[in-house]
Amino acid sequence: NAGVTQTPKFQVLKTGQSMTLQCAQDMNHEYMSWYRQDPGMGLRLIHYSVGAGITDQGEVPNGYNVSRSTTEDFPLRLLSAAPSQTSVYFCASSSKGWGGDHEQYFGPGTRLTVT
Amino acid sequence: DQQVKQNSPSLSVQEGRISILNCDYTNSMFDYFLWYKKYPAEGPTFLISISSIKDKNEDGRFTVFLNKSAKHLSLHIVPSQPGDSAVYFCAASFTGNQFYFGTGTSLTVIP
Repeated sequence: NAGVTQTPKFQVLKTGQSMTLQCAQDMNHEYMSWYRQDPGMGLRLIHYSVGAGITDQGEVPNGYNVSRSTTEDFPLRLLSAAPSQTSVYFCASSSKGWGGDHEQYFGPGTRLTVT
Repeated sequence: DQQVKQNSPSLSVQEGRISILNCDYTNSMFDYFLWYKKYPAEGPTFLISISSIKDKNEDGRFTVFLNKSAKHLSLHIVPSQPGDSAVYFCAASFTGNQFYFGTGTSLTVIP
C-alpha cells in the first residue's frame, strides 16, 4: 500500500493563478479531508468528504473547492490563489467518519507559496 | 477561536525520564481525542486516542489521560527516547467528521 499520496510536493504560484492539489489513497477509506498548517495555528480543516459524491466545509473553506468523484481521489482546487493561501497542505483519510475510531492517515504534504 | 489549545510550544526532557504534554479544550461536546506525532517534512502520524467515556488509555510507552471536568488532556511518554523528539498535536472531534487540532508542542529528548 502506498497509503496517502499527495502531488506536487512543492509549488510556487503567482497571485490569481489557479491550481489543483492532488490527493489519492489506496486503503479504500470513505473519509478524506484537507488541512492547512500555518505557523502558530496548528492544522485547520478546509474541506472533508465522507464518501464519493459527498463533501462538506471545514473551518477554513473560503478560496478552496473540492470534489469527490471516486473513493480514491480527493483533489483540492485553488481558483484564484492569494498570498494568504501560502501554507503547507495535508490530505488525510480514515476508514470511519461517523463515530468509532477516527485514526487518520496523512499524506506527506504540499508546500505552497503564493507570491 | 481556538477550541483546542496546547499552551506549551516546546518541552525538553532527558532521555529515560517522563514527558508530559498537555492539551486543553473549550467545547464540552468533544467526545473523541487523539494525539499525533509529526517529524519535519512529513505528515502527522497517529499515536493514541481516547473516547470521552474513558479517562485513560495506554499503548506501550504512551498513555493518554482525559479529565472531562477540567476539559484537559495529557500525553505521558515513559521512558522518553531521543526518537520521540518531534512535534505533538492533540486533536478533538464531536461529530467524527470535523477534527480540531491544537497548535502543537515540540518535544526534544536529550540523550
